[in-house]
Amino acid sequence: EVQLVESGGGLVQPGGSLRLSCAASGFTFSDHYMEWVRQAPGKGLEWVGRTKNKANRFTTEYAASVRGRFSISRDDSKSSLYLEMNSLKTEDTALYYCVAKFYGTSDYWGQGTLVTVSS
Amino acid sequence: EIVLTQSPGTLSLSPGERATLSCRASQSVWSNYLAWYQQKPGQTPRLLIYGAASRATGIPDRFSGSGSGTDFTLTISRLEPEDFAVFYCYQYGSSPLTFGQGTRLEIK
Repeated sequence: EVQLVESGGGLVQPGGSLRLSCAASGFTFSDHYMEWVRQAPGKGLEWVGRTKNKANRFTTEYAASVRGRFSISRDDSKSSLYLEMNSLKTEDTALYYCVAKFYGTSDYWGQGTLVTVSS
Repeated sequence: EIVLTQSPGTLSLSPGERATLSCRASQSVWSNYLAWYQQKPGQTPRLLIYGAASRATGIPDRFSGSGSGTDFTLTISRLEPEDFAVFYCYQYGSSPLTFGQGTRLEIK
C-alpha cells in the first residue's frame, strides 16, 4: 500500500524558514516524480514544484510564486522528499501536500502538513 | 506560464442531471497533458481524468473528459449524490505546472 506522510509544518514568523519532509513507502520511490502542492485555507490547489526521477537527472521545477525561496530535494536511499522554505510570507500559509506521480496515469497524495506564517 | 480558467465558478444541479465543466488554457497544453481532479470537503484530491480523456483507475464511466489544445471539458453524464464536490483542471505539459481555480458543483 502506498503511503505518504508529511511532517515539519508549524507556526513560523514572516521571513522565517521551515523544512517539510515526506516519508514514502509502498512503492519504488526512486522511479517516480514527486511534487509539492499546497492549499491555502478555503482556497484552491496551487502547484508548488516537483523533482523528477534519477533517469531525468533529478531536475527540479518551481512555481513562480516560490522560485528562489523554496527548494525541493529528495533522498532516494531514504524514500524521502523535502521542501526547504525560506523567506516565508503570510501568503505561504497553507496545507502542504506531498504527491507521488505514477507516469501521469495515477497519483497518490499524503494527508498534508499545515504551515502557518504569522507574527 | 499557462493560466487555466474554469467555468462556471459554481454549478447547481440535481442528482440525475448532466454536468458540463469547462477549462480553458491561455495557451495550448502540450500533448493534451490535462487532468481533472475532484476534491470533497476534508479529503485529498482524487484524480479522475488524465491525458484529457483517459479515466483513472476505478473512476466510474459516467465521468468523461474531452477537448484538446486550449479547450477542455469534464462531463458527468448522470450525477450521483456523491459526485458533488469541487473540481480542478491541471496541466502538466509545460513548466510551471498549473491548476485551474476550481468549479464548485453543488446540489440544487
